[in-house]
Amino acid sequence: RKEVEQDPGPFNVPEGATVAFNCTYSNSASQSFFWYRQDCRKEPKLLMSVYSSGNEDGRFTAQLNRASQYISLLIRDSKLSDSATYLCVVNKGTGNQFYFGTGTSLTVIP
Amino acid sequence: GAGVSQSPSNKVTEKGKDVELRCDPISGHTALYWYRQSLGQGLEFLIYFQGNSAPDKSGLPSDRFSAERTGGSVSTLTIQRTQQEDSAVYLCASSPRARETQYFGPGTRLLVL
Repeated sequence: RKEVEQDPGPFNVPEGATVAFNCTYSNSASQSFFWYRQDCRKEPKLLMSVYSSGNEDGRFTAQLNRASQYISLLIRDSKLSDSATYLCVVNKGTGNQFYFGTGTSLTVIP
Repeated sequence: GAGVSQSPSNKVTEKGKDVELRCDPISGHTALYWYRQSLGQGLEFLIYFQGNSAPDKSGLPSDRFSAERTGGSVSTLTIQRTQQEDSAVYLCASSPRARETQYFGPGTRLLVL
């Protein structure tokens, strides 16, 4: 089983739609969780950290479910500029490694 | 401020040659990571440096791969006797401290012919 699993998509949604991605992780000792965004042929960039109580940043909401070992990302009112690959990132739990999911591809259509 | 920089941005080499990839982390960041990303794949952890501690080399795929970090700043990833399967984007990231947000450089695209 992979350390971090994501639905690769692709998700094709119209502008203004709400879309949600889930990511499951296997290490119950993981403590740090992030969502990164990666544009085509670019480096990953932090979108947001994920906190235990859930957190929101504008149109983006991240949640953590420790019992079921998954994190989610909700994007409201999708914009064309949201088109990218979204990477789920989880720390190893022990040590300092991070595991990256293979990413979920999102295309927002006019 | 200046972000993470990497050089070269692109490298084409012949099978069997050695290559050196450089990473300049954000000033003051104590943690530095190297990853590899093959086409359409996720990021594969290679090696991690934290301050003056011994590096975590557990992700290096073979003994042809090695990395150094001099003076707690610049890092060099060396691949000896390159193989075609080494072709990938090599990404460097730094963070202020362990387990915190990582900031990525633009990567080095390596093509082994």
